[in-house]
Amino acid sequence: AQSVAQPEDQVNVAEGNPLTVKCTYSVSGNPYLFWYVQYPNRGLQFLLKYITGDNLVKGSYGFEAEFNKSQTSFHLKKPSALVSDSALYFCAVRSVMDSSYKLIFGSGTRLLVRP
Amino acid sequence: DVKVTQSSRYLVKRTGEKVFLECVQDMDHENMFWYRQDPGLGLRLIYFSYDVKMKEKGDIPEGYSVSREKKERFSLILESASTNQTSMYLCASSFRDQPQHFGDGTRLSIL
Repeated sequence: AQSVAQPEDQVNVAEGNPLTVKCTYSVSGNPYLFWYVQYPNRGLQFLLKYITGDNLVKGSYGFEAEFNKSQTSFHLKKPSALVSDSALYFCAVRSVMDSSYKLIFGSGTRLLVRP
Repeated sequence: DVKVTQSSRYLVKRTGEKVFLECVQDMDHENMFWYRQDPGLGLRLIYFSYDVKMKEKGDIPEGYSVSREKKERFSLILESASTNQTSMYLCASSFRDQPQHFGDGTRLSIL
């Protein structure tokens, strides 16, 4: 069965410091991996995806994520956090073998960036 | 830019009522999805659809049904609303395996 784990309910970081939001996954076969962000009272916005190729993926708003196949992880990173990055972040996965286009989402991690 | 529009941002209904949540997308996407979002549980897939008149059950379809009569519109139906269906409902659409685009959600309260 496919699954996604986001082990931290909340991540706190000071503005200007680097941030990491963790994600590990379990799928049969190779994964397609996604990060989404949700601001208050809004739907999810796509940040970045890993399909194949370079393990370091760059996305919107200065975010990037590193795919690590041996550790089955896809952690979201940003070199310098902004207060405006405070939001709820979701990791999602789909197996390449799954033709249904369904995504399995993690439980979400709330990022709080303090001034 | 893709726009996914959910007809209501907030909705209050009573137990036992039949509830309709509407979703419209403007990008001719084949795939459409309904999720519910609950704190600590992330997003859980209720139903999805690949094309007009086609539907597939997701992970938590009990108590729900869907309708897709036109490509751009995907409706979620609560046959007989219950208090445990109080939640945030999110609609999404996608083209093949491209990223899903989400609406702003409907916060539904069942009293």
